Amino acid sequence: SQQGEEDPQALSIQEGENATMNCSYKTSINNLQWYRQNSGRGLVHLILIRSNEREKHSGRLRVTLDTSKKSSSLLITASRAADTASYFCATAPPPNFGNEKLTFGTGTRLTIIP
Amino acid sequence: EPEVTQTPSHQVTQMGQEVILRCVPISNHLYFYWYRQILGQKVEFLVSFYNNEISEKSEIFDDQFSVERPDGSNFTLKIRSTKLEDSAMYFCASSPDGTTNYGYTFGSGTRLTVV
Repeated sequence: SQQGEEDPQALSIQEGENATMNCSYKTSINNLQWYRQNSGRGLVHLILIRSNEREKHSGRLRVTLDTSKKSSSLLITASRAADTASYFCATAPPPNFGNEKLTFGTGTRLTIIP
Repeated sequence: EPEVTQTPSHQVTQMGQEVILRCVPISNHLYFYWYRQILGQKVEFLVSFYNNEISEKSEIFDDQFSVERPDGSNFTLKIRSTKLEDSAMYFCASSPDGTTNYGYTFGSGTRLTVV
């Protein structure tokens, strides 16, 4: 698999349910980030988890990171119709001098059914 | 909330024409990036820019592409002679320190259609 692959590719749930998306990657990372993209729009940064962190929360978002399995999960609790979007994980490699490019995954298309 | 602004939101151009995509990064950010997303595919890194020079570029960023920061606020991506396969959404992003410790701020994108 390629660096940064999400599963499932598509997920439909009822409003109010929890949504879980997974991301796997292959190489060492400095951090892993999750972004949201509404249809045809820009990328919105949701949350960043560093390689030495295992879990992070932000509002209704919970991210976990397992560096031994090279995987991460994004949990959105109590989903709302406005959460309908594509969700991407993106990995940043271990730091060299200056900036590190992000490598994006293939994305999960989340649909919340009212 | 500071924003990265991109113009135009949509551009249609004929194959072989030059296009310039414009971006205004967040004012106190020092690192700037261009990414692109071909319809239905992954977001791909094109180039990063710091201290008025390219710091890293991908294989996609060939001689047809160039970037410039012509003044203190704008950051542009030029495609010299567009090809059909350049049709994509192009995203500009900026970062305060380039170490991605805080995530990037992306613009809303320019949809480029080459006909």
